[in-house]
Parts: sequence; structure tokens; C-alpha cells
Amino acid sequence: DAGVIQSPRHEVTEMGQEVTLRCKPISGHDYLFWYRQTMMRGLELLIYFNNNVPIDDSGMPEDRFSAKMPNASFSTLKIQPSEPRDSAVYFCASSLGTSGQNNEQFFGPGTRLTVL
Amino acid sequence: GQQLNQSPQSMFIQEGEDVSMNCTSSSIFNTWLWYKQDPGEGPVLLIALYKAGELTSNGRLTAQFGITRKDSFLNISASIPSDVGIYFCAGRYSGGSNYKLTFGKGTLLTVNP
Repeated sequence: DAGVIQSPRHEVTEMGQEVTLRCKPISGHDYLFWYRQTMMRGLELLIYFNNNVPIDDSGMPEDRFSAKMPNASFSTLKIQPSEPRDSAVYFCASSLGTSGQNNEQFFGPGTRLTVL
Repeated sequence: GQQLNQSPQSMFIQEGEDVSMNCTSSSIFNTWLWYKQDPGEGPVLLIALYKAGELTSNGRLTAQFGITRKDSFLNISASIPSDVGIYFCAGRYSGGSNYKLTFGKGTLLTVNP
């Protein structure tokens, strides 16, 4: 079975440009999570969805960040306008449930974003 | 908010040696997880612990859920070069609508052949 798919794997953009990161969760998984990883702050949860509905977006840094999940097989994380401090690796993860055996999160390979 | 202190930050060992790393929390968790991240990839779940005192093995890996529910350790026995990577602990307190994982900063493991 295919795991979590993310695209692009690498993105280099200039400050002020719009950036869109994409994620396809594992088929059948009802939960989708977006994380950001930096050296300074480690792995941080940005937002998560249950059945395509955003449940907790308290980790989204500011209004420049937005996430959508139009259907069960696709989600986007958008940054507009992008800033150099947004440079990080962004991970998408999905899970069947939220806790307990067989409900843990599977991570995608990540998108490495560099904002110049 | 909840904080996880993971130690050590990095380890340099010789192939064949045993490795131990741990995480402590400022508050209790009812789930502890250990992930490994290879360069350029996402974290992969190694071991999941759901009960205080639980000791679980996965091949050469052994992890324990501390009795206080505020700590966990991971041991790797007889290390091999492919054990190289970053190991993360993660904790969760599932109460109400909170299903968030809190991650440690990671332990970078280097194994010299």
C-alpha cells in the first residue's frame, strides 16, 4: 500500500511568493495532521483534520498560513506571503484514529521549503 | 504547555555497542511513542507504549513506559550501521478532545562501523 504522499519534495521560492504544499493521506485514514520541523523548535503540530474538518488549528503560526482538506484524499497547506523564517521541513501524517494500537500516525516524506 | 526533555542530544558509538536514550515530561502522558527519522524522510514509528510500566520490544529495540507516566526510555542492543538516524520520543495525554502528540527534540545517533 502507498504511504502518505507529499508534493513537492523540495520547494525554493522567494520572499513574498505564495507556496502550496500538498498531501495525500493513506486511504481510509480519517485523521490528517500537518507538522513543521525546524532545528530550533523540533516537530510542531500546525493543524489536524478529522473527516476533512479542521479540528485544532492552534498551532498555525499566523494568518499567512492556511490549510484545507476538500476531500478525504487531499489536503493543502498554503503560505501567503512566504517569509524566510518559514523555511523548514513540512510533514503531513495520517491515522485511522487518534489513540491506541493501530491508530498511530504515519508520516509522509516531507516537503523541504526554502524561502529566499 | 507540555514539554518533553529528550537526552542525550547526540551519541557517537561503535558498532556492536548498546545504546540508551530517554525522555522526561513535565506532565503525565498515557501514551509514549518512539520514532526514527532517516535523512530526507519522515519519522517512522518504532514502538508504542500505552500502559504505565509496560516494557515492549521490537527486535533489538526495547522501550519502557515509566511508572510515574512522566518518562520513557529506548534501548538499542548490538547497534549496527543502519541504526544511524534521529530518534524521537513523543507523548500524548488523551483527554477530552486532545489528541495531540508532543515530540522531544530528538537524539542523533551515529554508529561507527
